[in-house]
Amino acid sequence: NAGVTQTPKFRILKIGQSMTLQCTQDMNHNYMYWYRQDPGMGLKLIYYSVGAGITDKGEVPNGYNVSRSTTEDFPLRLELAAPSQTSVYFCASSYPTSGGRSYNEQFFGPGTRLTVL
Amino acid sequence: GENVEQHPSTLSVQEGDSAVIKCTYSDSASNYFPWYKQELGKRPQLIIDIRSNVGEKKDQRIAVTLNKTAKHFSLHITETQPEDSAVYFCAASEGSARQLTFGSGTQLTVLP
Repeated sequence: NAGVTQTPKFRILKIGQSMTLQCTQDMNHNYMYWYRQDPGMGLKLIYYSVGAGITDKGEVPNGYNVSRSTTEDFPLRLELAAPSQTSVYFCASSYPTSGGRSYNEQFFGPGTRLTVL
Repeated sequence: GENVEQHPSTLSVQEGDSAVIKCTYSDSASNYFPWYKQELGKRPQLIIDIRSNVGEKKDQRIAVTLNKTAKHFSLHITETQPEDSAVYFCAASEGSARQLTFGSGTQLTVLP
């Protein structure tokens, strides 16, 4: 299994440009999440999904959109990029259980480092 | 929504000593508290977690304690080694999607 994969690894955008960050998982996880991590800070939840066709806003959704047409893919769309969106973006997935070790262990992708100039 | 505070922001210890990182949370509905380790330029990785129906959990040199009444939980690392140097994040989980709210992180440095 490749786990959670993200593309691209790095990207530089100009103010006002748009782009899609790709996220794919091959673990058949039904829950998926997008976080952003600003330098020296913790992760903040942007959007999440509990299954195909179902998405919801997290703590910092403004300026972003998501879709979930399949179990495997959860792309994040940035419209009209702004310098405040310069960050590292992590996608994560999980398969929540009712108990045991991994109640909701979230598996993270390698991240996409985005700079908006 | 949930708010998680983490202290200290930086921690330096001598190799072999213990390290303790503390977190508080605000939402009494949170019921799952994981700890993640993040090395420089890498993704966060789960090192230990605890459910709200348990007060303490241990895994070799790592332990986590939870005080539901006071709404705080702590990470304890004993016999620290240089490879323990990293940023550690606590988190609290709530909601139907078990979404996580993270603390701001602790940079742990283990001095040889």
